[in-house]
Amino acid sequence: SQKIEQNSEALNIQEGKTATLTCNYTNYSPAYLQWYRQDPGRGPVFLLLIRENEKEKRKERLKVTFDTTLKQSLFHITASQPADSATYLCAGARYGGSQGNLIFGKGTKLSVKP
Amino acid sequence: EAGVAQSPRYKIIEKRQSVAFWCNPISGHATLYWYQQILGQGPKLLIQFQNNGVVDDSQLPKDRFSAERLKGVDSTLKIQPAKLEDSAVYLCASRRIEGAEKLFFGSGTQLSVL
Repeated sequence: SQKIEQNSEALNIQEGKTATLTCNYTNYSPAYLQWYRQDPGRGPVFLLLIRENEKEKRKERLKVTFDTTLKQSLFHITASQPADSATYLCAGARYGGSQGNLIFGKGTKLSVKP
Repeated sequence: EAGVAQSPRYKIIEKRQSVAFWCNPISGHATLYWYQQILGQGPKLLIQFQNNGVVDDSQLPKDRFSAERLKGVDSTLKIQPAKLEDSAVYLCASRRIEGAEKLFFGSGTQLSVL
């Protein structure tokens, strides 16, 4: 079955360091990947989108890569802050009808310590 | 702009009872989704509407779950009868059109089935 896998359930880092989260996909070739942030008791909030023909996208302290050979996306937060502590979800989809529905990974819980 | 509204925020019921959740998407968003998020998991799609028509309900347990989107705006999701394994957060999301567009999520309804 089609899967989006985020193998790290939790990641603990020190403030100021770069956090790197991994997303892998199997039995699947998503046309694009999206990354969301989810805080406790809240719905996910969109952060970044990257298409399969794009290698890298940046937004402020965030960077995402898409490697179709490795079937992997990396999500980086540079100069991390305690306020970045949250669960980060990776999701993929293709285009058109039900194929356009996002398949989500389980998420990685990031904790940034002061 | 106003976000996706959901109610209630919390619901506690006993197994075999029925429950209904309500969602009001962002104005003008044609596509509406209901997701189920079990603790520690990523959101799992239950049903997708395009305007007031169903696009994908392949993962909706139709023997107990039903959903409608009358007039292509508000939507309700119903569970009857509820089972213990239905305990989860039910998230509603919308997006303007299909395609590589971000989803806007509501805060969800946390359901506990005892």
